[in-house]
Amino acid sequence: KAGVTQTPRYLIKTRGQQVTLSCSPISGHRSVSWYQQTPGQGLQFLFEYFSETQRNKGNFPGRFSGRQFSNSRSEMNVSTLELGDSALYLCASSLGVATSTDTQYFGPGTRLTVL
Amino acid sequence: AQSVTQLDSQVPVFEEAPVELRCNYSSSVSVYLFWYVQYPNQGLQLLLKYLSGSTLVESINGFEAEFNKSQTSFHLRKPSVHISDTAEYFCAVSVRGSTLGRLYFGRGTQLTVWP
Repeated sequence: KAGVTQTPRYLIKTRGQQVTLSCSPISGHRSVSWYQQTPGQGLQFLFEYFSETQRNKGNFPGRFSGRQFSNSRSEMNVSTLELGDSALYLCASSLGVATSTDTQYFGPGTRLTVL
Repeated sequence: AQSVTQLDSQVPVFEEAPVELRCNYSSSVSVYLFWYVQYPNQGLQLLLKYLSGSTLVESINGFEAEFNKSQTSFHLRKPSVHISDTAEYFCAVSVRGSTLGRLYFGRGTQLTVWP
């Protein structure tokens, strides 16, 4: 079974631009979560989608948004990029049924650099 | 609110030596506990998790962790490490009984195994 895939793996953008990251979960998984990983803040939860609905959201500004499609693939969008948005963005998928006991399977991440 | 503290940011050890990576958590509700490992340029992989039952849980590659409720700890141990164990290790919790799959992570411990 294929793992979680994220595209692109690397991105370089400039301040003020917007960016869209994509995540394809493991087949059969209906929950997709996004995390931001930085050296300063560690791993921080962005949001979780299940069956095309956002069911949980972390403490990030409205510039960070996401969506999930009917095939469970998910995208996250960051508008008006700031230098502090430079990070590794990780996507995780799970079955989404047992939720807090589910094993979350992580993709390799998208490394975003904002210049 | 949930918080996870990993007491050591870096742990250097020699090959075949024992190692302990410490993790303490704080939560007003019951939690499930996880250890994830991140190898360079990769996403996170689940190492082991404690949901219920025996407080000692083991992974397939020789790591074990013990849940101590009174000390709110979930330390990770391995009796003899290999160079291939060099990676960053993250302790995480999720809220027991929650319908949401959010993980709360510690800041990570970089384990470096020297020959």
